Amino acid sequence: GENVEQHPSTLSVQEGDSAVIKCTYSDSASNYFPWYKQELGKRPQLIIDIRSNVGEKKDQRIAVTLNKTAKHFSLHITETQPEDSAVYFCAASKGDNYGQNFVFGPGTRLSVLP
Amino acid sequence: KAGVTQTPRYLIKTRGQQVTLSCSPISGHRSVSWYQQTPGQGLQFLFEYFSETQRNKGNFPGRFSGRQFSNSRSEMNVSTLELGDSALYLCASSFGPGTYEQYFGPGTRLTVT
Repeated sequence: GENVEQHPSTLSVQEGDSAVIKCTYSDSASNYFPWYKQELGKRPQLIIDIRSNVGEKKDQRIAVTLNKTAKHFSLHITETQPEDSAVYFCAASKGDNYGQNFVFGPGTRLSVLP
Repeated sequence: KAGVTQTPRYLIKTRGQQVTLSCSPISGHRSVSWYQQTPGQGLQFLFEYFSETQRNKGNFPGRFSGRQFSNSRSEMNVSTLELGDSALYLCASSFGPGTYEQYFGPGTRLTVT
């Protein structure tokens, strides 16, 4: 089955710096890759996603890149702010007309220091 | 549009008991997935339902079961509770199978004593 690895497990950056989180997946049939942000005591919130037919997607300060050949995808956050502090989860999904099976990475705890 | 809702939000049960959790998806969403979240194991997939049929199942024992109703609402049941079942149980809904965005509910915090 699918296996998703995520690095680093913890990341501390100074406010205004950039943060990069990388995930690798094992199943080449996976075709949808979302990123979730989870603040303490809250539900995971979808922040950006990318489908396998796209190499890069950007939304304001966050971007995601996908390398299908190497089977890895990365989250990039620029100009980090204290409110970006949270746990970030990547996921890989193999979706088709039958179903959609998400496998999540173990998470990265991001701390943005003021 | 209202988000995914889950009831109850908190639950305390004793070992050996059973529990039923409920999830109402976003209006128009027909696919519901369930996850177990623990500090040690992260987000673990339990099962996915679409059109009242289980479409995918994670690696959990048969004590964990679920169902989906014709209005897309879903329930999850855990029988013969064990201490290790203490976790946050999250459900998520999406429009349907395929590569659709999935949105999470607030979760049910289950504590087994």
